[in-house]
Amino acid sequence: SYVLTQPPSVSVAPGKTARITCGGNNIGSQSVHWYQQKPGQAPVLVIYYDDDRPSGIPERFSGSNSGNTATLTISRVEGGDEADYYCQIWYSTTDHVIFGGGTKLTVL
Amino acid sequence: EVQLVESGGAVVQPGGSLRLSCVASGFTFEHYNMYWVRHPPGKSLEWVSLISGDSIRRTYKDSVKGRFTISRDNSKNSLHLQMDSLKTEDSALYYCVKSGGATGHIDYWGQGTLVTVSS
Repeated sequence: SYVLTQPPSVSVAPGKTARITCGGNNIGSQSVHWYQQKPGQAPVLVIYYDDDRPSGIPERFSGSNSGNTATLTISRVEGGDEADYYCQIWYSTTDHVIFGGGTKLTVL
Repeated sequence: EVQLVESGGAVVQPGGSLRLSCVASGFTFEHYNMYWVRHPPGKSLEWVSLISGDSIRRTYKDSVKGRFTISRDNSKNSLHLQMDSLKTEDSALYYCVKSGGATGHIDYWGQGTLVTVSS
């Protein structure tokens, strides 16, 4: 089965850039989506199709995907960005949806 | 405005059954794949099951295959998850979610319904 691997935690100072990775075998050939989840709330889509932003998501959020790693980049990090972030693909080989294990972003 | 409203969560003993339901509004329900996604306490998000708009494709997470059954009624804009032979590890907040496109991203989530499997 296909596995997506994320670091459990990332810490960043306010105003700096956070990068959260999502590793998978030849993930560059997949479309990767990213979600932000704050405590007690449902997840929110922040990036889809590797690097597209839904309406209402700040330009500070961007994505990239190549080789074996997809990356969510959050520029000029704010305290309100503190949350869990999950990557996700739809794996057509098995028609399954796969989530990464999630990364807790801490703003120092 | 898209809305997904789940119901049916409860406390149930191991080996028991539950039927979760979700009523959708604000979009043409039959045109979209739908999923159930769960969030066990203190753990990561887990995809549970997928159903295509025409109900032809139905797939399941390996650990629930043979115990859970996904279905939909496009005439009533409703999605269901029949859960049998429940295990303690099935305890989670269960979300009804809408797929946004061909590559399977989730553009809308319900607020979730809580399932607790405990003796």
